[in-house]
Amino acid sequence: NAGVTQTPKFQVLKTGQSMTLQCAQDMNHNSMYWYRQDPGMGLRLIYYSASEGTTDKGEVPNGYNVSRLNKREFSLRLESAAPSQTSVYFCASSEESYNEQFFGPGTRLTVL
Amino acid sequence: KNEVEQSPQNLTAQEGEFITINCSYSVGISALHWLQQHPGGGIVSLFMLSSGKKKHGRLIATINIQEKHSSLHITASHPRDSAVYICADYEKLTFGTGTRLTIIP
Repeated sequence: NAGVTQTPKFQVLKTGQSMTLQCAQDMNHNSMYWYRQDPGMGLRLIYYSASEGTTDKGEVPNGYNVSRLNKREFSLRLESAAPSQTSVYFCASSEESYNEQFFGPGTRLTVL
Repeated sequence: KNEVEQSPQNLTAQEGEFITINCSYSVGISALHWLQQHPGGGIVSLFMLSSGKKKHGRLIATINIQEKHSSLHITASHPRDSAVYICADYEKLTFGTGTRLTIIP
């Protein structure tokens, strides 16, 4: 089992470019999450999907969109990247909401 | 939103020392989670606590639901314990800012 996988691991974008961060899990989990981690801020929730077919905004959703493509995959899209979106992005999954979460390895994104 | 606070933010200790990391939160919860983030960035779960105490190897976690406080202890600390330790409320999906622990040989 690969657990939670994320691609890419690193990405550099110019202001205004768009990109999609991919996340997949092979644990048959219902719930999936996207977080960003900034120095001194801790993990902050961007969007989550409690189950296939549903998505909800978290604490910092502005500038992002998500798609729960199927039970396995949950993607995060930046339509027009801004330097304030420079961060490390983590995807996570859990069997159900409130359960233990399993994290992907993270994507380090720099927006110039 | 649950305000989750950790202390200290940074902690440096000598190998073998007893370590305590604290977590307090503002809103009552049914369970608190402790996570470890390795220097390479990977995040793993250590404990889920709803009451009392749990022990795993040299790690001990305690929680006082009434006082809205949890502690993570490491006995006989080792350089491989160097990491960022994070407490989290998964009901409200909020996390502490983490405690960066460095153990010096």
